[in-house]
Amino acid sequence: GAGVSQTPSNKVTEKGKYVELRCDPISGHTALYWYRQSLGQGPEFLIYFQGTGAADDSGLPNDRFFAVRPEGSVSTLKIQRTERGDSAVYLCASRPGTSDTQYFGPGTRLTVL
Amino acid sequence: KNEVEQSPQNLTAQEGEFITINCSYSVGISALHWLQQHPGGGIVSLFMLSSGKKKHGRLIATINIQEKHSSLHITASHPRDSAVYICAVPHSGGGADGLTFGKGTHLIIQP
Repeated sequence: GAGVSQTPSNKVTEKGKYVELRCDPISGHTALYWYRQSLGQGPEFLIYFQGTGAADDSGLPNDRFFAVRPEGSVSTLKIQRTERGDSAVYLCASRPGTSDTQYFGPGTRLTVL
Repeated sequence: KNEVEQSPQNLTAQEGEFITINCSYSVGISALHWLQQHPGGGIVSLFMLSSGKKKHGRLIATINIQEKHSSLHITASHPRDSAVYICAVPHSGGGADGLTFGKGTHLIIQP
């Protein structure tokens, strides 16, 4: 079946602009996670959704970052007033309710010029 | 919050060698994850284990919950095993949590 998909695969924007990154989880997966990975580093947790609600948003670095999952499926990560330091690969993962294994998408590479 | 240390950071070995990658963490957990990431590629889950040992093909993962330590072994290593191997644990210990990742071990297997 289809895996986790993320769009766009690459996004180049200018400092100060607003961006939205989309994640389509595996159908039926109740949990959804956002991570970001800077060059040469392991991924860093941002936020976790259980259904429509954010169960844990402790990893969001500041209030420029926001994520939604209005119908408990697709999620959008929104970044306002982008900064060069936001450049990274943003990863999404989903998890079925019956397991703790997370399934990762291919990521969106965000470059802020 | 859990902290994860992996070693070594980089490992180059010859084809056929037995490989060991180590991971230690600071807070008790429900399960530990080993993942693989190829250059420019996505992350694939290899193992999730909460006790003892798991084996999948040439890969073996072990965990010692009391010592907060896990190892990933690769037997009869092959160039196609070249990748970054990452250890991850739930950041507050619970299975459903977001994961805290180690920095990864960059493995190169030379023919």
